Amino acid sequence: DQQVKQNSPSLSVQEGRISILNCDYTNSMFDYFLWYKKYPAEGPTFLISISSIKDKNEDGRFTVFLNKSAKHLSLHIVPSQPGDSAVYFCAVNNNNDMRFGAGTRLTVKP
Amino acid sequence: DTGVSQNPRHKITKRGQNVTFRCDPISEHNRLYWYRQTLGQGPEFLTYFQNEAQLEKSRLLSDRFSAERPKGSFSTLEIQRTEQGDSAMYLCASSFIGTANYGYTFGSGTRLTVV
Repeated sequence: DQQVKQNSPSLSVQEGRISILNCDYTNSMFDYFLWYKKYPAEGPTFLISISSIKDKNEDGRFTVFLNKSAKHLSLHIVPSQPGDSAVYFCAVNNNNDMRFGAGTRLTVKP
Repeated sequence: DTGVSQNPRHKITKRGQNVTFRCDPISEHNRLYWYRQTLGQGPEFLTYFQNEAQLEKSRLLSDRFSAERPKGSFSTLEIQRTEQGDSAMYLCASSFIGTANYGYTFGSGTRLTVV
């Protein structure tokens, strides 16, 4: 059962521009939403999260937006840097249960 | 503390053999999770421990798979009679109770290849 969907397997942006990664979920009962970043040959690294009671959370160049009515969240990276090139996973956490999307490969071109 | 450590990093085994992986979590973390990741997919939940108790198992965890965390510290994941479909990256993560919503800390994984 795919509770978390990332419909874009890849995204390419120019350095300095905005990267927008999208994620859809199915269960309105999820209470926390997270983004992870993964480089090759490493495990995923936690990036940023948002509670279901908020609609925006910002941390430096990274902002996560949550649209509960659409069951949609997005990650904005501004400005994008070549070092941001990685696979980004969205995840949902409801108590003890974390589910991941299939990931979006972001390439930031110099 | 150097984070979550997994050994070995790579394992190649023949079909039908048994394999065991080890995970050393961050020492203060009381929760430990096992995930499996195949190509083009996100990590899939297998099981988790709170201290030494195994509290949840996914239906992905067939009876050929067993996980232990005997003293609430390190954990092992054993796969018996390996099949080619078991080839994947096996990821371990840890967290505190109550802070899991702020993200797990993952290890670098063990890549299993069954030939």
